[in-house]
Amino acid sequence: GQNIDQPTEMTATEGAIVQINCTYQTSGFNGLFWYQQHAGEAPTFLSYNVLDGLEEKGRFSSFLSRSKGYSYLLLKELQMKDSASYLCAVILRGSGTYKYIFGTGTRLKVLA
Amino acid sequence: DVKVTQSSRYLVKRTGEKVFLECVQDMDHENMFWYRQDPGLGLRLIYFSYDVKMKEKGDIPEGYSVSREKKERFSLILESASTNQTSMYLCASSFSSAKNIQYFGAGTRLSVL
Repeated sequence: GQNIDQPTEMTATEGAIVQINCTYQTSGFNGLFWYQQHAGEAPTFLSYNVLDGLEEKGRFSSFLSRSKGYSYLLLKELQMKDSASYLCAVILRGSGTYKYIFGTGTRLKVLA
Repeated sequence: DVKVTQSSRYLVKRTGEKVFLECVQDMDHENMFWYRQDPGLGLRLIYFSYDVKMKEKGDIPEGYSVSREKKERFSLILESASTNQTSMYLCASSFSSAKNIQYFGAGTRLSVL
């Protein structure tokens, strides 16, 4: 079956660096996304990886290893506003259509 | 900016009622999706549509149906609401491409009493 695992909750301090891991077991892998979701709000797109390696975007970076079924989201210089849930999602290619599978999300608390 | 609008933020319905959740997107996206989000279970796909009048079952379609008569609108229907359908419902849309970024609506929190 298709499965995505990520930690349920993490805590970090303002100004620090935090790494949120995601492992997946899927077939038809076509890319991996990270979304941010603040409490009571819609998920918003953060990053996309389809090739192995690191993608950097400001304070956020995302890494992918397809052979290991592994990704991480790295958040630097943490700010209070980074307190949110971070959703790992894999996009799968089926017969002519694409389908997302989401992990259950990692709730990050940033402490002053 | 992409806008995905869900008709209601909060809804309270009674068991057995027929419930309509509406979603409209303004970016001419081919794909539209309905998810429900529950604590500890994450986002689960109910139905999706890749074209007008086309629909595909997701992972948990039981108890739901959908309608897509126009490209910009995707409706989720609960034929006879039950208490286990109390949840947050999220609509999303995307282009049909390999880099398939989904844009989400703000969600509808449905309570079935």
